[in-house]
Amino acid sequence: SAVISQKPSRDICQRGTSLTIQCQVDSQVTMMFWYRQQPGQSLTLIATANQGSEATYESGFVIDKFPISRPNLTFSTLTVSNMSPEDSSIYLCSVGDRGRDTGELFFGEGSRLTVL
Amino acid sequence: AQKVTQAQTEISVVEKEDVTLDCVYETRDTTYYLFWYKQPPSGELVFLIRRNSFDEQNEISGRYSWNFQKSTSSFNFTITASQVVDSAVYFCALVPSGGYQKVTFGTGTKLQVIP
Repeated sequence: SAVISQKPSRDICQRGTSLTIQCQVDSQVTMMFWYRQQPGQSLTLIATANQGSEATYESGFVIDKFPISRPNLTFSTLTVSNMSPEDSSIYLCSVGDRGRDTGELFFGEGSRLTVL
Repeated sequence: AQKVTQAQTEISVVEKEDVTLDCVYETRDTTYYLFWYKQPPSGELVFLIRRNSFDEQNEISGRYSWNFQKSTSSFNFTITASQVVDSAVYFCALVPSGGYQKVTFGTGTKLQVIP
């Protein structure tokens, strides 16, 4: 299994500001993903963080709003830009442990953002 | 398109009762994977089980058991002798052979175990 650490675990932000969430994994993984979970809702995939290339975004999510970095196989960041109260959510980093094979999918502890 | 339905939004049981959480899915893929996750109030998602579509054996792990029935497209989760620590939101998820990018989560079932 993979151990995933996210920072910050929670934050309160002002409207119009940006916040970067970090995700650190204890082993090299091919696939890293970022999810959003709005209050009382299920999880929605934002993007796949690709090492050495641009992230692949899902429908409804754009790079200008959610820029992602993936400098190596153990680390990624997600920035939530120009925040509004609608961005108040839990943001979760997740990793797959077997390349493109569908093995176990692990999640970090989440970053709970509240935008005022 | 694929879909995961968790019809039970919230369930309350008294401690030591058994409880079953339902999960029904739809997919056109012949190869796929089903997952259950637990999300306690702290927010992290805890992996509970992964089952592939070729393995219909039921599984038991301590007080947890899972019943996978391909004929009815269901992957139900039973907690025996529930405890207060079982209180959480439980998510069922489907991943097709195309990989994690296609994962679909259910809307979750909030379980409250009353002491």
